[in-house]
Amino acid sequence: GAVVSQHPSWVICKSGTSVKIECRSLDFQATTMFWYRQFPKQSLMLMATSNEGSKATYEQGVEKDKFLINHASLTLSTLTVTSAHPEDSSFYICSAILRSGLAGSETQYFGPGTRLLVL
Amino acid sequence: ELKVEQNPLFLSMQEGKNYTIYCNYSTTSDRLYWYRQDPGKSLESLFVLLSNGAVKQEGRLMASLDTKARLSTLHITAAVHDLSATYFCAVADYGGSQGNLIFGKGTKLSVKP
Repeated sequence: GAVVSQHPSWVICKSGTSVKIECRSLDFQATTMFWYRQFPKQSLMLMATSNEGSKATYEQGVEKDKFLINHASLTLSTLTVTSAHPEDSSFYICSAILRSGLAGSETQYFGPGTRLLVL
Repeated sequence: ELKVEQNPLFLSMQEGKNYTIYCNYSTTSDRLYWYRQDPGKSLESLFVLLSNGAVKQEGRLMASLDTKARLSTLHITAAVHDLSATYFCAVADYGGSQGNLIFGKGTKLSVKP
């Protein structure tokens, strides 16, 4: 099946620094990718929708200047957490949409996640 | 606003027993997903349910969808320890961002020998 990778798997950084997380669709092209955040023992919350060639769409309450999203190609979206603080520590999961030839047929594939710890 | 409610949130059961997890959602949707998440890992897709009355089975898990009742169930038959994980249902929200998924809070399942 389709594979989505994330890099890095783990990152520990100091407060105030920026961290970039990559999400790649390895064997398909994805015009749409999603970024989710999951705090411990909680569900996944959508942060933003990443659209290739256009600006990302952010969910209510998510600061677009703090969480920079760049969908530079059909196989890569990046999430940059700027000026990270301890409260940004979380598990960040991306997903990519695979659309088949059938009308309305699409499947969302999830990456393995990136665990961010801000000290 | 689409809301997704899962019940129960925690479930501890003995091996060999049966149980059902429920997923209710608040507005019309034509796509419901079940995922499994192991600790520290991402999501593993279990089922995609696309129509009223859809039933899918894989091993000891069976999922069904009733779009009229806005209810999906995940039935566990003769549970084994390997099924211990957190199970999420998610519903496609076409009123939101290009069909993003709204997740339930998850059901943490612990199967004891």
